[in-house]
Amino acid sequence: QSVLTQPSSASGTPGQRVTISCSGSRSNIGSNTVNWYHQLPGTAPQLLLYSDNQRPSGVPDRFSGSKSDTSASLAISGLQSEDEADYYCAAWDDSLNGYVFGTGTKVTVL
Amino acid sequence: EVQLVETGGGLIQPRGSLRLSCAASGFSVSSNYMTWVRQAPGKGLEWVSTKRDDGTTYYADTVRGRFTISRDNSRNTLSLQMNSLRAEDSAVYYCARGTIVDGHALDSWGQGTMVTVSS
Repeated sequence: QSVLTQPSSASGTPGQRVTISCSGSRSNIGSNTVNWYHQLPGTAPQLLLYSDNQRPSGVPDRFSGSKSDTSASLAISGLQSEDEADYYCAAWDDSLNGYVFGTGTKVTVL
Repeated sequence: EVQLVETGGGLIQPRGSLRLSCAASGFSVSSNYMTWVRQAPGKGLEWVSTKRDDGTTYYADTVRGRFTISRDNSRNTLSLQMNSLRAEDSAVYYCARGTIVDGHALDSWGQGTMVTVSS
């Protein structure tokens, strides 16, 4: 059972802005940076954001991240059909002494 | 180019053992945090184990005492020895590399290898 909670689904039409929340606790998001991954069907996950809001090389600036207290958010602006994927937040948990993933959010482009 | 290739998956009976390997190229496994993540069919991602560049290891509670992460610097390979396997260990196992900035941010992933624990 994941300690990071995400909505199971989110959707939007092309061009819209979609936001995904990630709720944790003081021992994970409250103490450490958050990373975001996305996963297309049948493929390995890919790093989307690290250190709360940093984009790896090649990730478009349509993807942005924020964090406040024990929650984090991923925003996708200008939604595109290729953004249809599963999205996971993750963070180190000082109490568990382990890395925890969120429950995952399936984004659908209508 | 950074590449990770996992091998060793397959069908194994409960209580059996299996060793997964992850061959790395384009970087040294000894220079980065290296992590195993698994994903059961139709389920989300689950962290399994991490080996830091300084050798420190971490395990999820669900596998501690049964799984062992190791690396072979000469072969530039990461391994996961899995003992006392259970049905709930069935999953695709990915190895992944941590970034230099944040070792737990996994910026390169293998294609995964499937482990099925069943009699």
